Amino acid sequence: DAGVTQSPTHLIKTRGQQVTLRCSPKSGHDTVSWYQQALGQGPQFIFQYYEEEERQRGNFPDRFSGHQFPNYSSELNVNALWLGDSALYLCASSSWAGGTETQYFGPGTRLLVL
Amino acid sequence: GNSVTQMEGPVTLSEEAFLTINCTYTATGYPSLFWYVQYPGEGLQLLLKATKADDKGSNKGFEATYRKETTSFHLEKGSVQVSDSAVYFCALSDLGYSSASKIIFGSGTRLSIRP
Repeated sequence: DAGVTQSPTHLIKTRGQQVTLRCSPKSGHDTVSWYQQALGQGPQFIFQYYEEEERQRGNFPDRFSGHQFPNYSSELNVNALWLGDSALYLCASSSWAGGTETQYFGPGTRLLVL
Repeated sequence: GNSVTQMEGPVTLSEEAFLTINCTYTATGYPSLFWYVQYPGEGLQLLLKATKADDKGSNKGFEATYRKETTSFHLEKGSVQVSDSAVYFCALSDLGYSSASKIIFGSGTRLSIRP
C-alpha cells in the first residue's frame, strides 16, 4: 500500500521565480492538505483540497495556490518566490468521509530560494 | 484561536531512561490530539492519537492521555532507545466549516538519546 508521495524531493529556485510541487495521496484517501515547515519550527497549514475545491485556507498570501485533480493528486504553486519561502513543504492526505482530522504526511519537498 | 504549547528542547537522555515531553493546548470544542515524530531528513509520522477526553493513545511504547481538566496531552515512554532520537510534535485538529480540518502543531521538541 503506497503511502503519500511527493515530488520533487529537493528544489532550488531564485527570487521572483515560480515553483510547482506535486503530491499523490495515500490509497483510499480523497483529501489533500499542504503545510509549510520552516527550519526549526512546526508545520503551518496552507490549504486543503477536496473534490477539486479549496475547502479551508490558512494565513498565506494569494501567491500560494493549489489544484486537485480528478485522481485526487494535488499541486501547490508558489509565485514570485521570496527568500522566506525556503522551507520543507509537506503534503498530507486523509479521507473526507472518514474525517479529515487524521492526516498522513509525505516525506516533503525541500525548497531553497536564493 | 486554537494553539499548542510544548516543552522546549533539546532533551537529552541516556538509553533506558524515562521520557516525558509536556504538551498543553488551548481549544474551543473538543479537538482530537496527536503526537507526530520527525526523524532526521524525513517527513512527519503519526505516532499516536486520542479523540476524546480520558482516551489514551499508545504506539511503540509511547503513551499519552487526553486530559481535558488540565488541557494536556503529555508524551511518555518508560525506557527510551537510541532509535527514538527525533523531533516530536504535539498537535490538535481544528475542525473548520464543512468538515475541513487542519492540524495545528506545537513548535517541536528535539530528543537525543545517548547510548
